Amino acid sequence: DAKTTQPPSMDCAEGRAANLPCNHSTISGNEYVYWYRQIHSQGPQYIIHGLKNNETNEMASLIITEDRKSSTLILPHATLRDTAVYYCIVSPDQTGANNLFFGTGTRLTVIP
Amino acid sequence: EAQVTQNPRYLITVTGKKLTVTCSQNMNHEYMSWYRQDPGLGLRQIYYSMNVEVTDKGDVPEGYKVSRKEKRNFPLILESPSPNQTSLYFCASRLTRAYGELFFGEGSRLTVL
Repeated sequence: DAKTTQPPSMDCAEGRAANLPCNHSTISGNEYVYWYRQIHSQGPQYIIHGLKNNETNEMASLIITEDRKSSTLILPHATLRDTAVYYCIVSPDQTGANNLFFGTGTRLTVIP
Repeated sequence: EAQVTQNPRYLITVTGKKLTVTCSQNMNHEYMSWYRQDPGLGLRQIYYSMNVEVTDKGDVPEGYKVSRKEKRNFPLILESPSPNQTSLYFCASRLTRAYGELFFGEGSRLTVL
């Protein structure tokens, strides 16, 4: 399974867009990119996922590069409640190994 | 309400005293998994199960056992807990074996003295 690398921390001003990068240079063709976030010590919460095309939902947008080796999660108008640790993971779509690697994520701090 | 329920949420125990952390999901999910979270180390997978009677080791299985006798339950067993198993534990489930979002429980904070 592909592993991911993310910056350990980022700051973002309230109301501005937060752009969180993720590198997954060893991703294979059948692996999806998933994003989760964890507020304080609560259970992580699913945000969005994608395979090749850019995706958008009510929470965020996901931009995946054409070579699929990196992606960016965009929170269009960050609020204080978006302060959290954000995890980018890759997951196979078929019966591959299911050892899902979360790593340490990016700690996003939204500043008033 | 669709949810993953873990019990206990908080537990302080002593070295060597067997304990079980239960996990139950009400969404008929095939896949279930246990993670532990420690400062600076992120979320690390302990065990996972792709269906009833099918379990596999994750990154840090030492000192843990699991079972999947029923689809909805996936208990984590610490036969002889040690202080290095002091951690925050999360159970998660997913609809299918290999695709879909993970639903996490609220976490179980375990302290082994």
